[in-house]
Amino acid sequence: AQTVTQSQPEMSVQEAETVTLSCTYDTSESDYYLFWYKQPPSRQMILVIRQEAYKQQNATENRFSVNFQKAAKSFSLKISDSQLGDAAMYFCALTGTASKLTFGTGTRLQVTL
Amino acid sequence: ETGVTQSPTHLIKTRGQQVTLRCSSQSGHNTVSWYQQALGQGPQFIFQYYREEENGRGNFPPRFSGLQFPNYSSELNVNALELDDSALYLCASRIGGSYNSPLHFGNGTRLTVT
Repeated sequence: AQTVTQSQPEMSVQEAETVTLSCTYDTSESDYYLFWYKQPPSRQMILVIRQEAYKQQNATENRFSVNFQKAAKSFSLKISDSQLGDAAMYFCALTGTASKLTFGTGTRLQVTL
Repeated sequence: ETGVTQSPTHLIKTRGQQVTLRCSSQSGHNTVSWYQQALGQGPQFIFQYYREEENGRGNFPPRFSGLQFPNYSSELNVNALELDDSALYLCASRIGGSYNSPLHFGNGTRLTVT
C-alpha cells in the first residue's frame, strides 16, 4: 500500500519570501513518481512539479523546486519569491506501476502582503 | 487549460437516487481516472479506464461504476446515493496507459446528497 503524509494543514508566507511545504511517503515499489499539485478555489488540480524516483537530481520548475530525500522518503516543495497567485491548497501525490495517484491531505498556503 | 471538461459543475441529489457524471478528455487521452475528494481531504482514487476497459479500482463499492467511450468521453455512475457520497468528483486523463505520463484534471463536479 502507498501512503502520503502532509503534516502541515496550513502555512503562511509573505509575498516575495520563500516557503517550504513538507511531505513524507511510503511505498514498496522501487519505480515511482512524486508530484506536487496546486488546487486553487477553481478546484482544478494543476501540476506544479514532478520527480522521478530513479533520478537523484532534484526537479525544478521556475520558482518551484523540490528536496527529494529517497532514503528518508521525504519530498518537500520550496516556493521562492512567493506571489499572491500561489495561494491555494497544495497536495503531494505518489504514483507507481498501478497508475493510480495517492494524495496527501493537503496544505493550505496563504500569501500575505 | 487542460482540455478536460466535466459536467455538470454542481449537482444536488436525494439519498437513494442515482447520478451520472460526465467527462470529456482531449483527443488521444485514452486513460481516464476518477477521484472523489471529500471536503478538506485529498482526492481518493475510485477507478481507472484504459481503452474502454477498467484496469484499476480503489476501495469503492460496486455501486460506483464507470464507462469510457471511443470518443475520449467517460462517465461515472453512482447508484443508491448515500449522504457520504457528497464530495467533489474529479476526472483526470492522460495519453497512454503508463504511469509516467502526467495526468490532466478537470474542474470537477460538486455533488451534494441530501
